[in-house]
Amino acid sequence: GIQVEQSPPDLILQEGANSTLRCNFSDSVNNLQWFHQNPWGQLINLFYIPSGTKQNGRLSATTVATERYSLLYISSSQTTDSGVYFCAVDGSSNTGKLIFGQGTTLQVKP
Amino acid sequence: GAVVSQHPSWVICKSGTSVKIECRSLDFQATTMFWYRQFPKKSLMLMATSNEGSKATYEQGVEKDKFLINHASLTLSTLTVTSAHPEDSSFYICSVEGTITEAFFGQGTRLTVV
Repeated sequence: GIQVEQSPPDLILQEGANSTLRCNFSDSVNNLQWFHQNPWGQLINLFYIPSGTKQNGRLSATTVATERYSLLYISSSQTTDSGVYFCAVDGSSNTGKLIFGQGTTLQVKP
Repeated sequence: GAVVSQHPSWVICKSGTSVKIECRSLDFQATTMFWYRQFPKKSLMLMATSNEGSKATYEQGVEKDKFLINHASLTLSTLTVTSAHPEDSSFYICSVEGTITEAFFGQGTRLTVV
C-alpha cells in the first residue's frame, strides 16, 4: 500500500516565525488532505489538495503530484497553531480510505 | 463541507461491558462512513468501512466480532466495542466523504476501559 511520510516529526517555533511541513507519498493519489488535530483530538480540515496550490489566510499548501510530495506553509505562527498536523492520502483506486502520515507536532512558544 | 457529529465525546466503562459510539452525518446522506482508531501520540489507523444497508468491511487485523459496526440509515453509523478490555482504550473517530471525495471527521470519542 501507499506509504506516507511526514517531516519533521517535531517542530518548535517562536511566535511570529514561519515554517514548512512536508509530506511525501509513495504512489499516485486521488486525494490528499492536510489536517490540524487540536488538543481535544478533533481533526480540523485545512486543505483538500490532490494537486496545485491553495491559500487560506496564514496557511498555504502545495502538492506536486508528479513528484509525490506536498508542503504545508504556516506564516507568522501563533500559539493557537500548536498541535499535530497530519497529511492523509487516498490512493488512485479512490476507495475513500485515508492513509495518514505520522504527523508533525508543532509547538509555538509565545 | 459535511458536518459530522460523534457521541459520546468520552466514555469510561468497566472491563467486560460493551460501549456504543454513534457517528451522525448531519447535512449529508452518507452511504459510506469510515471508522479510525488512534493510540496516544500515534497516527490514525483505518479500522473499517461502514456501508449503509450492508455489512461493514474490516481492515486486516481488526476483529469484526470485537468491533461491531451498524449503518442502518444514510445518516447514522454505530461502532460497538464488545466485551471491552483495557487494551481497547483508545480514541475512536469517524469520517464521512463529501461530494468531492474530501473527508470530514467527527469530534472523536475517547474510550477508557477500567
